[in-house]
Amino acid sequence: QLQLQESGPGQVKPSETLSLTCSVSGGSIGSTTYYWGWLRQPPGKGLEWIGSLYYGGGSYDNPSLKSRVTISVDTSKNQFSLKMNSVTAADTAMYYCARIPEGFINWIDPWGQGILVTVAS
Amino acid sequence: SYVLTQSPSVSVAPGETARITCGGDNIGEKSVHWYQQRPGQAPVLVIYYDKDRPSGIPERFSGSNSGSTATLTISRVEGGDEADYYCQVWDHTSGVFGGGTKLTVL
Repeated sequence: QLQLQESGPGQVKPSETLSLTCSVSGGSIGSTTYYWGWLRQPPGKGLEWIGSLYYGGGSYDNPSLKSRVTISVDTSKNQFSLKMNSVTAADTAMYYCARIPEGFINWIDPWGQGILVTVAS
Repeated sequence: SYVLTQSPSVSVAPGETARITCGGDNIGEKSVHWYQQRPGQAPVLVIYYDKDRPSGIPERFSGSNSGSTATLTISRVEGGDEADYYCQVWDHTSGVFGGGTKLTVL
């Protein structure tokens, strides 16, 4: 059974770069039949799509994040990562990684348990 | 960008039927997926491709999608169904979520 686990700093200073890693177990991140994505949820609010990466292909991020996002993959560690630069308090959220079957019509499953990141000085 | 609209809250008594709607422009032409999020937990897929149930999801959960509204229906509601429910579609290469509906079991 595929499992995903987020890791990284729980606090980031304003204007700095948020860096998170998602470790995948029970399956290979090198599969060409899945995308690997990041989502977030500000405290008390709804879900927001951040972006996704397709192994051997491109990455796609939410235009509303104004190109602050970079998603990359490390197949040797079976991990993928999120970097978001120039963070502000508005980026404080629970961050989730997830798997998406290939093709932009499919469901998001499974999700990691999430990691809370607070942007504060 | 594509917008999905959900009512903020729905309340039902145990044993009754809950209907949670998700509105969007011609949403019937898109594939809609539904997620359940219990307090303090990550979202869980409960319906995909409008009406299909993943393994492990009770038959009480069903979905439909037509015109401008998709609907998640939960029959014989139980206390454990109390959660936030989100609909989701794709707008080109970006995922889009509704604002979420909080289901309260009275």
